[in-house]
Amino acid sequence: KQEVTQIPAALSVPEGENLVLNCSFTDSAIYNLQWFRQDPGKGLTSLLLIQSSQREQTSGRLNASLDKSSGRSTLYIAASQPGDSATYLCAVTNFGNEKLTFGTGTRLTIIP
Amino acid sequence: ETGVTQTPRHLVMGMTNKKSLKCEQHLGHNAMYWYKQSAKKPLELMFVYNFKEQTENNSVPSRFSPECPNSSHLFLHLHTLQPEDSALYLCASSQPPNQETQYFGPGTRLLVL
Repeated sequence: KQEVTQIPAALSVPEGENLVLNCSFTDSAIYNLQWFRQDPGKGLTSLLLIQSSQREQTSGRLNASLDKSSGRSTLYIAASQPGDSATYLCAVTNFGNEKLTFGTGTRLTIIP
Repeated sequence: ETGVTQTPRHLVMGMTNKKSLKCEQHLGHNAMYWYKQSAKKPLELMFVYNFKEQTENNSVPSRFSPECPNSSHLFLHLHTLQPEDSALYLCASSQPPNQETQYFGPGTRLLVL
């Protein structure tokens, strides 16, 4: 059974700093991996989707990497801003089982 | 806005009450999902509907009863809930066969007293 872990559960960083969020998964037979953002009182928004054949994806100040063999992904946020404060969730889809398996998330706070 | 709306946004109910959560999507999708998000736990998939037919029930207790009258609407009927059912209930939709690109609603925050 796939398990997805995100450590730390919470992170506070001064504005302007670069930061890395971590995600690990136990079953490397994944079809893809997604990073989501969840704001308080709102649903999830997909930020980046990496297919199993890809190593990374970039969108603006966000860069997500994938190392399937080690069961890890990172989300790099450059030049953090207070508006980046949110909970970031990682989710994987396995071959043969297209459901999303989510991690518990990292609550990020950017300090002005 | 993601095109998926949920009502009510907040709900407080007693263990003997009966209530319903509503989800509506305006994206023309044919798959809809109910998830439960509890504190410090990963999102748990509860139910999946494809073209109005239930295709997944993730061992959800019978006190949760889903209904999908058409591809745009999804309900979750609640009765005799327990305090541990207090959580954020999220609805999502996608276009089959694609399950990985899901659009989420804002959720209903449920408190069971």
